[in-house]
Amino acid sequence: AQSVTQPDIHITVSEGASLELRCNYSYGATPYLFWYVQSPGQGLQLLLKYFSGDTLVQGIKGFEAEFKRSQSSFNLRKPSVHWSDAAEYFCAVGLNTGFQKLVFGTGTRLLVSP
Amino acid sequence: DGGITQSPKYLFRKEGQNVTLSCEQNLNHDAMYWYRQDPGQGLRLIYYSQIVNDFQKGDIAEGYSVSREKKESFPLTVTSAQKNPTAFYLCASRNRGLLSMNTEAFFGQGTRLTVV
Repeated sequence: AQSVTQPDIHITVSEGASLELRCNYSYGATPYLFWYVQSPGQGLQLLLKYFSGDTLVQGIKGFEAEFKRSQSSFNLRKPSVHWSDAAEYFCAVGLNTGFQKLVFGTGTRLLVSP
Repeated sequence: DGGITQSPKYLFRKEGQNVTLSCEQNLNHDAMYWYRQDPGQGLRLIYYSQIVNDFQKGDIAEGYSVSREKKESFPLTVTSAQKNPTAFYLCASRNRGLLSMNTEAFFGQGTRLTVV
């Protein structure tokens, strides 16, 4: 079955430090990959997406992600974290099951220390 | 502004009662979805609809019902058959155009349902 794994439940990063959130997927075909961010009690906002082409994609708020087919990964990165980046981050895979079902990982909560 | 509106933001239900969560979108999207979010479990798909008057069960549809009488609206009813309804519910919509594989889902702000 298709699945998305985010191995880190919580990550704490100092403000100004770099960030990498891990995402691995299990899917036989070419995946459609997304990263969403969620602030407490809010809906999800799209950070970036990958469908094809350049494997390094740029998103909003200074985030980027790299698709590595050989590792089945789509890790999210940011060179310098701001306190406002503290939130929960979800990786998702779009499946071609006739309506493009989105399968989500369990999320990684980012804490930013001063 | 275009977007998805969920109401109410907070909802309390007594055991044995049915409650309906509202989801309205003015994005002219064909597809709409309901997800349930529990701590540590990510988002799980309850129901989805690709067009008006059509909807399909997702992974955890038991105890829930939906309708899609209008393109803009996709209400979710949490019935008394749902054994553990306390959760955060998210509605989403997506464009199903020719490039439907390449479009992302847009989410509402969510409804937190608590059984008291």
